[in-house]
Amino acid sequence: EAGVAQSPRYKIIEKRQSVAFWCNPISGHATLYWYQQILGQGPKLLIQFQNNGVVDDSQLPKDRFSAERLKGVDSTLKIQPAKLEDSAVYLCASSLYTGTGVEAFFGQGTRLTVV
Amino acid sequence: GDSVTQMEGPVTLSEEAFLTINCTYTATGYPSLFWYVQYPGEGLQLLLKATKADDKGSNKGFEATYRKETTSFHLEKGSVQVSDSAVYFCALSSYSSASKIIFGSGTRLSIRP
Repeated sequence: EAGVAQSPRYKIIEKRQSVAFWCNPISGHATLYWYQQILGQGPKLLIQFQNNGVVDDSQLPKDRFSAERLKGVDSTLKIQPAKLEDSAVYLCASSLYTGTGVEAFFGQGTRLTVV
Repeated sequence: GDSVTQMEGPVTLSEEAFLTINCTYTATGYPSLFWYVQYPGEGLQLLLKATKADDKGSNKGFEATYRKETTSFHLEKGSVQVSDSAVYFCALSSYSSASKIIFGSGTRLSIRP
């Protein structure tokens, strides 16, 4: 079965520019997550979708970050404008449904460097 | 809120050594516990999990036991191989945190031949 697809793999932008990341989850997975992983730290959840509805976006910096999941399948995460501290790997993951024991499958991530 | 604390790395061991990576958690209620692994150049993948107290998760020679009394989920392997070199993340998921997966900071493991 195909895994979680993310693009691009790498992105370098200047501060104050905008950037968008794309994620295609595993087919049939209702739950989609976006995580931010800063170097040397564990992944931090930015936003969690159940189908096309938001379950949790409490740690999403909404003044500059936005995310959508159209038709409950693909998702995009946007940063506008970017700051130096946004340099990180952005991970997308999906799971069959939302539940405490459910395994999440991760994509390879997009490494963002803001200069 | 819920959180996970794991031992800091890096951890460097010789091949065939015994491995323990400590993990403790804070959570309301009864979370599910996970170990995820990130091999060089690859994405995170689930290594093992346990969903209730005293459960033991195991995979690829690794194992971890859900200890509610000590709020711990330590990862162990009896004889590590060079191919086990990776970053290991302890994580939890609980209803009190809307079932989101909360990760520890990760432990980098390097195995010398």
